Amino acid sequence: EPEVTQTPSHQVTQMGQEVILRCVPISNHLYFYWYRQILGQKVEFLVSFYNNEISEKSEIFDDQFSVERPDGSNFTLKIRSTKLEDSAMYFCASSEGTSGRAWETQYFGPGTRLLVL
Amino acid sequence: AQSVSQHNHHVILSEAASLELGCNYSYGGTVNLFWYVQYPGQHLQLLLKYFSGDPLVKGIKGFEAEFIKSKFSFNLRKPSVQWSDTAEYFCAVIFTGGGNKLTFGTGTQLKVEL
Repeated sequence: EPEVTQTPSHQVTQMGQEVILRCVPISNHLYFYWYRQILGQKVEFLVSFYNNEISEKSEIFDDQFSVERPDGSNFTLKIRSTKLEDSAMYFCASSEGTSGRAWETQYFGPGTRLLVL
Repeated sequence: AQSVSQHNHHVILSEAASLELGCNYSYGGTVNLFWYVQYPGQHLQLLLKYFSGDPLVKGIKGFEAEFIKSKFSFNLRKPSVQWSDTAEYFCAVIFTGGGNKLTFGTGTQLKVEL
């Protein structure tokens, strides 16, 4: 069964450093998402991406964050200058995007645990 | 503000007991409703979803959920749990007009004892 994959599974970085989290969505999917979960808190939406542009973003997704689809398979989340409060589990998800409708199932990756020191 | 709440944060049951996990949302408009499960060490995966039609939805592994619009609720049920149902369960909602973003509840950690 096709799966969303994410790399790395864990990343430790120093405050102020740039990090890039990588995701490979399911191959025929067109809609991509990033969510995050700070320890002990809810899973929160960050951004959605469709047709090579951001479809929607949350208040959390400020200028320090960016997303990119550098090639036909990868979808990345970049944090330009990490802060302590960016420490979280980051989940990538994808959905078919053929209808662009909200009832499509979003398939989640296993997550990247980011620790900012 | 639109929000999702799950009342039970930790639930412990014995095998064969019945399960009901509560989920409520605050929003007066149309919603799409989801239950996701995360087994230990695994991905979030969809258990079931509702977007229209019969408010009683059946999902995988014997789970079902009922949408009660008047109560803004979408409770998850299973008549007889198994040890393998030990997992974290997340209710999530897409609020119409809110794009495709899922708004999650806090999650309920279910432990099933033998």
